[in-house]
Amino acid sequence: DIQMTQSPSSLSASVGDRVTITCRASQNIGKYLNWYQQKPGKAPKLLISAASSLQSGVPSRFSGSGSGTDFTLTINSLQPEDFATYYCQQTYSTPYTFGQGTKLEIK
Amino acid sequence: QVQLQESGPGLVKPSQTLSLTCTVSGGSISSSYYYWTWIRQHPGKGLEWIGYIYYSGSTHYNPSLKSRLSMSVDTSKNQFSLELSSVTAADTAVYYCAALVMVRGVIDLDYWGQGTLVTVSS
Repeated sequence: DIQMTQSPSSLSASVGDRVTITCRASQNIGKYLNWYQQKPGKAPKLLISAASSLQSGVPSRFSGSGSGTDFTLTINSLQPEDFATYYCQQTYSTPYTFGQGTKLEIK
Repeated sequence: QVQLQESGPGLVKPSQTLSLTCTVSGGSISSSYYYWTWIRQHPGKGLEWIGYIYYSGSTHYNPSLKSRLSMSVDTSKNQFSLELSSVTAADTAVYYCAALVMVRGVIDLDYWGQGTLVTVSS
């Protein structure tokens, strides 16, 4: 299985900050990398697919980059509704594994 | 807009079989675009991909669960189902059904059900 490692595991930030979350794959996955946002008690929501393609309706302050083994999710100008847990997922090969998650908390 | 809804028992006894159904609305389960997927999340933990089934019945399971897992699809009811046998407390989790889309080289989980908590306990 491809292992996905996110860093940091948790992050404290303030409204208006810019934050970056990193996801590293244990092998080359090209651009088969998705990012999801999950709020407590809710299902994950797809934010970005294919490493950098923003889903319809997702605010432009979210962006993704990377290819191969190293990927980043950046959130510019954090808003109160952005405080949540973020997961990366590789869809290069099954099982389509997820990172362990990054919990973004209000400072 | 595809919508999914999980249903099934919230409590299962150890060694028994966990059975869940996902009802799809707003789209056809026979669509060639979607692979009908199950994912689970242990309490307070991350996401685990269980597997998927295509409308034709072809499946792809997580090897870690394959020996205990079975999925099926009922096109007449627009539903797909999960059965996990010989459950233990380690199978206690929120189970999500989701629609995996494979289009032009992009593979992602576009639609999710709300999730259902299944507790394994005597």
